[in-house]
Amino acid sequence: AQSVTQLGSHVSVSEGALVLLRCNYSSSVPPYLFWYVQYPNQGLQLLLKYTSAATLVKGINGFEAEFKKSETSFHLTKPSAHMSDAAEYFCAVSPQDSNYQLIWGAGTKLIIKP
Amino acid sequence: DAGVTQSPTHLIKTRGQHVTLRCSPISGHKSVSWYQQVLGQGPQFIFQYYEKEERGRGNFPDRFSARQFPNYSSELNVNALLLGDSALYLCASSLVTASGNTIYFGEGSWLTVV
Repeated sequence: AQSVTQLGSHVSVSEGALVLLRCNYSSSVPPYLFWYVQYPNQGLQLLLKYTSAATLVKGINGFEAEFKKSETSFHLTKPSAHMSDAAEYFCAVSPQDSNYQLIWGAGTKLIIKP
Repeated sequence: DAGVTQSPTHLIKTRGQHVTLRCSPISGHKSVSWYQQVLGQGPQFIFQYYEKEERGRGNFPDRFSARQFPNYSSELNVNALLLGDSALYLCASSLVTASGNTIYFGEGSWLTVV
């Protein structure tokens, strides 16, 4: 069965510093991969997705993620953190044969220090 | 364009009661999925409907049921509520394109069971 692991339930960075949120997946074939952001008391917003095209995917709000098949990873990065980036971030995978049923990581709460 | 809309946004129920949650997908989206998100965890897949037919079911008891209407809106029903059903219930609609599916979430319905 597929699974998603997000390393670190909480990540704290200073404003202006690099943001790195880690996501590893287990799958026998490369799945579709997604990053979503959830602001407090709100639903989930799609940041970016990987669908077997370019391995470096650019998303909204300056975020990007790189698919590395050899490492089964899809880490999310942003060069310079902003206070408005404080939120919870979820990595999710969608099996090739079931594009609608997302499997989610446990989430990483991003804390931005002034 | 309107996004995915869910109602009600918040509700409180007593153990043993029944609840119905409603979802309207983005115009043109024929697929609706339901997820349960317990506080501090990632979402868990409950159901997926496409063209009014159930296409997927997660590991939830038979107390959970859903349906999709001809206008592609959907209802999630939960019978015999338990305290553990307290969660944010998210509806997502999706559109299949050449690059795969793009899933959009509503703001969710917060259910508290007391």
